[in-house]
Amino acid sequence: KAGVTQTPRYLIKTRGQQVTLSCSPISGHRSVSWYQQTPGQGLQFLFEYFSETQRNKGNFPGRFSGRQFSNSRSEMNVSTLELGDSALYLCASSPLDRPLLTQYFGPGTRLTVL
Amino acid sequence: QKEVEQNSGPLSVPEGAIASLNCTYSDRGSQSFFWYRQYSGKSPELIMSIYSNGDKEDGRFTAQLNKASQYVSLLIRDSQPSDSATYLCAVSGGYNFNKFYFGSGTKLNVKP
Repeated sequence: KAGVTQTPRYLIKTRGQQVTLSCSPISGHRSVSWYQQTPGQGLQFLFEYFSETQRNKGNFPGRFSGRQFSNSRSEMNVSTLELGDSALYLCASSPLDRPLLTQYFGPGTRLTVL
Repeated sequence: QKEVEQNSGPLSVPEGAIASLNCTYSDRGSQSFFWYRQYSGKSPELIMSIYSNGDKEDGRFTAQLNKASQYVSLLIRDSQPSDSATYLCAVSGGYNFNKFYFGSGTKLNVKP
């Protein structure tokens, strides 16, 4: 089975721009979670989607949004980028309805905001 | 107070020794506990999960859980240089069952 894939792998943007990141979960997985990882804050939960519905949201501003499609693929969007948004964005998928029992991470998208 | 606390390290152990990594969590209702390994520049990889008090062994890895003390640990026996990585403790359940909290990670260096 193919693993979780994320595109693009690297991205450079400037302040004020917006960005869309994509995640394709493992086939059959319906839950997708997004995380932001920075050296200072570690791994922080952004949101989790299951069957196209956002079930949980972390403590991030409204500039961070996401969605999930009927095929379980997910996208996250960050509008009005700030320098502090530079981070590794990780997507994780889970095969179970209780998603946090097992999560499989993708390789991540490295976002640099200049 | 952070939901999950870990010593950032680095923890240095010689090859063949036992590495002991610790984690405490704040939500007494937490039900699921995980250890992830993350190599530099890579994404986290699940290595152990534990749900009930006591020890759980998998090869050279042993996870220990003490819910009364709100404490989780990971022991790595016969440590190898390839075990050098950052180990992330994660906790879920409690007041928000579907939410996952990660510790900041402990960097482990295994010296040949």
